[in-house]
Amino acid sequence: GNSVTQMEGPVTLSEEAFLTINCTYTATGYPSLFWYVQYPGEGLQLLLKATKADDKGSNKGFEATYRKETTSFHLEKGSVQVSDSAVYFCALSENTGNQFYFGTGTSLTVIP
Amino acid sequence: EAQVTQNPRYLITVTGKKLTVTCSQNMNHEYMSWYRQDPGLGLRQIYYSMNVEVTDKGDVPEGYKVSRKEKRNFPLILESPSPNQTSLYFCASSLFPVVGANVLTFGAGSRLTVL
Repeated sequence: GNSVTQMEGPVTLSEEAFLTINCTYTATGYPSLFWYVQYPGEGLQLLLKATKADDKGSNKGFEATYRKETTSFHLEKGSVQVSDSAVYFCALSENTGNQFYFGTGTSLTVIP
Repeated sequence: EAQVTQNPRYLITVTGKKLTVTCSQNMNHEYMSWYRQDPGLGLRQIYYSMNVEVTDKGDVPEGYKVSRKEKRNFPLILESPSPNQTSLYFCASSLFPVVGANVLTFGAGSRLTVL
């Protein structure tokens, strides 16, 4: 079946530190992969996406590359800011795009 | 403003008392879906709908019903709520399958407590 395994949190970093949040997936066929971000008290917002192997999604300094050989989609940012403090969810949608599977979420706190 | 609106945002109810959580979108989206968010489990999909009168089960549909009589509305119905349905619920919509990958726009969430 389909599933997403995400790095456990919480993660606390100092401002300007490098961020990596690991995400691996299990899927049949050719899923699309996503990172969503949830700020306190809000719904999830799309951060970035990739729809096929070797695609790189990027947005607001965040990047993730769709690696089929390692079934991974790790999120990275070179220099985090306090405003990046949020919960980050890795997700996949299966072939048809109708059904979604989310990771458990990783809480990030960035301290000045 | 383009948005997904859920109501109520907060609700405390008792076991067995039927309730409906409404979801409405103003973006003319084809696709709508419901999720529940629980600590340590992330988001799990309850139901989804590809279009009016077309609904299908997600990963955790037990204890829930949905309907899609109009394109903009997708209510979530708990016929006989139980304490294990205490959760944070999110509705989402998208233009899928019209445009590329299924990118979801989420509502702000509805926190439900069943006593």
